[in-house]
Amino acid sequence: DQQVKQNSPSLSVQEGRISILNCDYTNSMFDYFLWYKKYPAEGPTFLISISSIKDKNEDGRFTVFLNKSAKHLSLHIVPSQPGDSAVYFCAASDRATGNQFYFGTGTSLTVIP
Amino acid sequence: GAGVSQSPRYKVAKRGQDVALRCDPISGHVSLFWYQQALGQGPEFLTYFQNEAQLDKSGLPSDRFFAERPEGSVSTLKIQRTQQEDSAVYLCASSPLRYHDEQYFGPGTRLTVT
Repeated sequence: DQQVKQNSPSLSVQEGRISILNCDYTNSMFDYFLWYKKYPAEGPTFLISISSIKDKNEDGRFTVFLNKSAKHLSLHIVPSQPGDSAVYFCAASDRATGNQFYFGTGTSLTVIP
Repeated sequence: GAGVSQSPRYKVAKRGQDVALRCDPISGHVSLFWYQQALGQGPEFLTYFQNEAQLDKSGLPSDRFFAERPEGSVSTLKIQRTQQEDSAVYLCASSPLRYHDEQYFGPGTRLTVT
């Protein structure tokens, strides 16, 4: 039973434009959300996180938006760069009860020069 | 500084063999996690250590899977009598905080069971 879903397996964007990656979750107890970026043959690398007490967190070109009522979060990358091409995973956890992150299946982003 | 390292990077095992996968976390990291990532899927939690104590092993798929971290640093994930469905990338992650705000992942061990 997938508690975190990324319904778009892939996304292509022109360099300089905005990339929007989406993630939905089902467990209303999740209170901490993260995005990880993964290059081939490497482990995932932490990108940005957001706590459920906020609805937006920004770090440079990366912004994560959280809509708790819709159980939806998104990652915006602007402007997109070719080096952003990777697989992006969203993850969620319930900090009160769990030690684990629940990951989505990933979205493969290709930024076209 | 050095990140999380895992060895071997690739392992081919015949069905029925035992395998041992090693994780060297970042020095001083309290928390250590093991995940299993099947092809086309996201990482799935297997087990969690806080120092040497295994506090959560709810994700281990069967009693053929065993993990240890005897001195609170290096960890080993052992799979006995491997099956084809065990083929996956096994990821180790560590974090410095008790509440694992950010987990730092190793490159993974790709296990192929033939």
